[in-house]
Amino acid sequence: DAGVIQSPRHEVTEMGQEVTLRCKPISGHNSLFWYRQTMMRGLELLIYFNNNVPIDDSGMPEDRFSAKMPNASFSTLKIQPSEPRDSAVYFCASSLRRGQAEAFFGQGTRLTVV
Amino acid sequence: GESVGLHLPTLSVQEGDNSIINCAYSNSASDYFIWYKQESGKGPQFIIDIRSNMDKRQGQRVTVLLNKTVKHLSLQIAATQPGDSAVYFCAENILPSGNTGKLIFGQGTTLQVKP
Repeated sequence: DAGVIQSPRHEVTEMGQEVTLRCKPISGHNSLFWYRQTMMRGLELLIYFNNNVPIDDSGMPEDRFSAKMPNASFSTLKIQPSEPRDSAVYFCASSLRRGQAEAFFGQGTRLTVV
Repeated sequence: GESVGLHLPTLSVQEGDNSIINCAYSNSASDYFIWYKQESGKGPQFIIDIRSNMDKRQGQRVTVLLNKTVKHLSLQIAATQPGDSAVYFCAENILPSGNTGKLIFGQGTTLQVKP
């Protein structure tokens, strides 16, 4: 398996623009997680899905952030409008649902909002 | 509330020495713990895990110790190598019935291996 695949790897956008980050989890994994990593706050869980259903979105910073998982093999994290403080590395991770909580991470998307 | 913290932000060791990275957690309901390694420009990578019904688990060159009494977790790396240089995170996971739960990460410790 190719692992968790994220795109793009790097994104530079202007403040106010919409940004969409994409993730393809490992085939067969039922849980998907979006994390944000910054120097100041470390790794923060934004939202996670089980069987395509959002379970906990308490980490989503504000209404400008939204995430979807239309099927088991694809998820998006959207920021609209983007702000400079959204600059961070965003990671997607996936794991098996029952009995195994190890999450496998993608390579991340480095977002820079100028 | 939920929080996982690390005692030291940076650990510097000589190549060949053993490394010990510590972690404190505050959620007594956590029943599964994981250590991740993150190299520059990459996502976190699983190293070793331990469930709360254990107090020690060994892998290849790594050992995780869990002390539930004081809510403390440690990662021991034997014969540290330059390739071990990275940021190490502990994470806790609450496993409610039938659910993966979510991972809460600590702030991370940077391990620097001196040749």
